[in-house]
Amino acid sequence: EIVMTQSPATLSVSPGERATLSCRASQSVTNYLAWYQQKPGQAPRLLIYDASNRATGIPARFSGSGSGTDFTLTISSLQSEDFALYYCQHYNKWPNTFGQGTKLEIK
Amino acid sequence: EVQLVQSGAEVKKPGESLKISCRGSGYSFTKYWIAWVRQMPGKGLEWMGIIYPGDSDTRYSPSFQGQVTITADKSINTAYLQWGGLKTSDTAMYYCARLGSGSYSLLYYFDSWGQGTLVTVSS
Repeated sequence: EIVMTQSPATLSVSPGERATLSCRASQSVTNYLAWYQQKPGQAPRLLIYDASNRATGIPARFSGSGSGTDFTLTISSLQSEDFALYYCQHYNKWPNTFGQGTKLEIK
Repeated sequence: EVQLVQSGAEVKKPGESLKISCRGSGYSFTKYWIAWVRQMPGKGLEWMGIIYPGDSDTRYSPSFQGQVTITADKSINTAYLQWGGLKTSDTAMYYCARLGSGSYSLLYYFDSWGQGTLVTVSS
């Protein structure tokens, strides 16, 4: 199965600044990559699909990029509600594995 | 509106059996795969298995094969996750999630999630 590796494990950023989260696949997943956000005590929710498309209702400050094996989730100006866990997941080949997550915390 | 509503929290003893549920509404339940995803305390997301309610085709992660059973009752738009004999290591939050393809393809993302069912196994 394809292994998804996210970095860093924890990212400390100040509100208003930009956050960049990385996700690397052990083999090419073309652009079949999703990002999910999980806030404490809540279920995950879809942020980005097909590497760069925002899901319905997701603010424009969230953007995704990349293809092949290297992907990035960028949050352009962090709001207080953005501090959460973020997971990537590929869906290029079954099983659709998750990364281990990046915790975005307030600096 | 698509909704997945899961059954409530459970507290069980080791060795007991358990069946939790996930009811879908607002869409054609038989046409979308439903997955079960485990999240152990303080840990990440692990998919356990997935079922296509239209024909009950089921696939399991190798890590969970033989440990759990996934079923669905399309007459009441509900998917289930069950254990025959719980262990303390089964203590976790369990989510159901819909694969958004609307077809038989497994190559898609999860576009809707249940609220989670907390299972606590303790003697």
